[in-house]
Amino acid sequence: GNSVTQMEGPVTLSEEAFLTINCTYTATGYPSLFWYVQYPGEGLQLLLKATKADDKGSNKGFEATYRKETTSFHLEKGSVQVSDSAVYFCALSDSNNNDMRFGAGTRLTVKP
Amino acid sequence: DVKVTQSSRYLVKRTGEKVFLECVQDMDHENMFWYRQDPGLGLRLIYFSYDVKMKEKGDIPEGYSVSREKKERFSLILESASTNQTSMYLCASNALGREAFFGQGTRLTVV
Repeated sequence: GNSVTQMEGPVTLSEEAFLTINCTYTATGYPSLFWYVQYPGEGLQLLLKATKADDKGSNKGFEATYRKETTSFHLEKGSVQVSDSAVYFCALSDSNNNDMRFGAGTRLTVKP
Repeated sequence: DVKVTQSSRYLVKRTGEKVFLECVQDMDHENMFWYRQDPGLGLRLIYFSYDVKMKEKGDIPEGYSVSREKKERFSLILESASTNQTSMYLCASNALGREAFFGQGTRLTVV
């Protein structure tokens, strides 16, 4: 079946540091890939997405590229801010079987 | 503005009670999902539904059931609540192969 594995946290960075959160997936078909963000006390919000191989999703300075050859969708940001502190979830959606799977989440804390 | 609405933000129930968690979406999505979120365990899929009256078990269906009588509404039922079902419950919906939209979550405490 489908599954998503992402880097375990927590991750603590200083402001303006470079961020990478690794995500790999297993899927039987050709899924769409997503990163969601959950700020404290809130629900999950879509951060960015990519629907096919080599697509790059980007939003709010975050980027991730859909790599079919390595089955990965790593999240990156060049310079994090305190306001980026949140839990980040990698996810896939498979149109072949209605499946929607999430990784375990990575908690990011950015210190001033 | 698209919306997934869960009926309660916070609930406190007693052990053995029957509990209903309701979720409504206004996007005409085929798929609806119920997850629970616990610290260190991420999001775990309880049940999902891909059409009216259709349902599929997720990874942790034990102790839960669901109902989807109308396309926009997906209910999660705890037949006899237990303390180990204390958790945050998240409802989501999506169109086939597309991104999911989430409700604000229901924090359920079973005492």
